[in-house]
Amino acid sequence: GAGVSQTPSNKVTEKGKYVELRCDPISGHTALYWYRQSLGQGPEFLIYFQGTGAADDSGLPNDRFFAVRPEGSVSTLKIQRTERGDSAVYLCASSRTITATDTQYFGPGTRLTVL
Amino acid sequence: AQSVTQLGSHVSVSEGALVLLRCNYSSSVPPYLFWYVQYPNQGLQLLLKYTSAATLVKGINGFEAEFKKSETSFHLTKPSAHMSDAAEYFCAVSERPGNQFYFGTGTSLTVIP
Repeated sequence: GAGVSQTPSNKVTEKGKYVELRCDPISGHTALYWYRQSLGQGPEFLIYFQGTGAADDSGLPNDRFFAVRPEGSVSTLKIQRTERGDSAVYLCASSRTITATDTQYFGPGTRLTVL
Repeated sequence: AQSVTQLGSHVSVSEGALVLLRCNYSSSVPPYLFWYVQYPNQGLQLLLKYTSAATLVKGINGFEAEFKKSETSFHLTKPSAHMSDAAEYFCAVSERPGNQFYFGTGTSLTVIP
């Protein structure tokens, strides 16, 4: 079956602009995670959803970042007033449930470049 | 807070030699531990995971890892490196109850012919 997909694969924007990054999880997966991977670093946790609700958003760096998952499937990560420091690869992952025995499957990521 | 440390950001081995990638964790509770691999221009792929069952965990592509509580380690090994093993490897610990991951900084493995 299809894996986790993310669109766009690349996004170039100017400082101060608003961007939306989309994640389509594997069908039937209730848990969805967003991570950010800066150059030369490991992925950094941002937020996770269980169903429609954001269960833990403690990794979001500030209030310019927001994510939604209105119908419990597709999720959108929204970044307002982008800054050059937001440039990174944004990864989405999904799993059947939040238990550790269920594998998290990662998408290919969206590479965001803020000029 | 839970965290992992990967010693050695770059490791080079000869083809056919032992691969050893090191991971140490810090956790206030019994940890769940994972190794993921990232090939160039590809997404993260699960190699193996420890979730409180057997301490020696076997994964895909001949890799295995041993959970050692006394050493707070979860090192990844493979007896004989193959050229196709060249990639970036990430160790991660998961947080309860949501199972969100905290990753190490990664180890880039180079396999020399």
